[in-house]
Amino acid sequence: ETGVTQTPRHLVMGMTNKKSLKCEQHLGHNAMYWYKQSAKKPLELMFVYNFKEQTENNSVPSRFSPECPNSSHLFLHLHTLQPEDSALYLCASSQGDRDRGYEKLFFGSGTQLSVL
Amino acid sequence: GQNIDQPTEMTATEGAIVQINCTYQTSGFNGLFWYQQHAGEAPTFLSYNVLDGLEEKGRFSSFLSRSKGYSYLLLKELQMKDSASYLCAVVDSNYQLIWGAGTKLIIKP
Repeated sequence: ETGVTQTPRHLVMGMTNKKSLKCEQHLGHNAMYWYKQSAKKPLELMFVYNFKEQTENNSVPSRFSPECPNSSHLFLHLHTLQPEDSALYLCASSQGDRDRGYEKLFFGSGTQLSVL
Repeated sequence: GQNIDQPTEMTATEGAIVQINCTYQTSGFNGLFWYQQHAGEAPTFLSYNVLDGLEEKGRFSSFLSRSKGYSYLLLKELQMKDSASYLCAVVDSNYQLIWGAGTKLIIKP
């Protein structure tokens, strides 16, 4: 148990559907992240929120829309996805103390997304 | 560009020792992480090296040589539960985390 919970664990959706991924962390952290993990590829950082403010958006297509209502919850809203978006989507959190340099990440188990 | 190289897959025998290598070319260096990820589960933190040398933590050790752009993860007394992917990640000069594609370790009885 990492203290980061993601739902759903698995999701199958058509290209015209709208769905949302949810992440919740119980660690009191202030930074939250969305990553995409494809087979045999490095983790791709999608979005970063620090103290509820979006601090990074790594040129992610607009069909992915993040939302961070508070420092414990993070959502990824999905609409009109493409088959190549099929992947494991991982949420992570970290302390978010900007004065401490880089910190280790605590990951959720991910949502395995299949786009048909 | 920035690059992290690690073997795609390795096989080892239960009870043996295995070394997983990671080489990197990045713009600056502010530390190197190793994470373990069992199939279908969350990656979990194993180690963080920022200075040269070997850091030991139980059956797992991690080594860093900044001059060579090289790290390895050493797993001793392998157990079946060590079957997992091992992810190497480097913090660059902008404090961006650059990830390798991971090494899938298969342990055979």
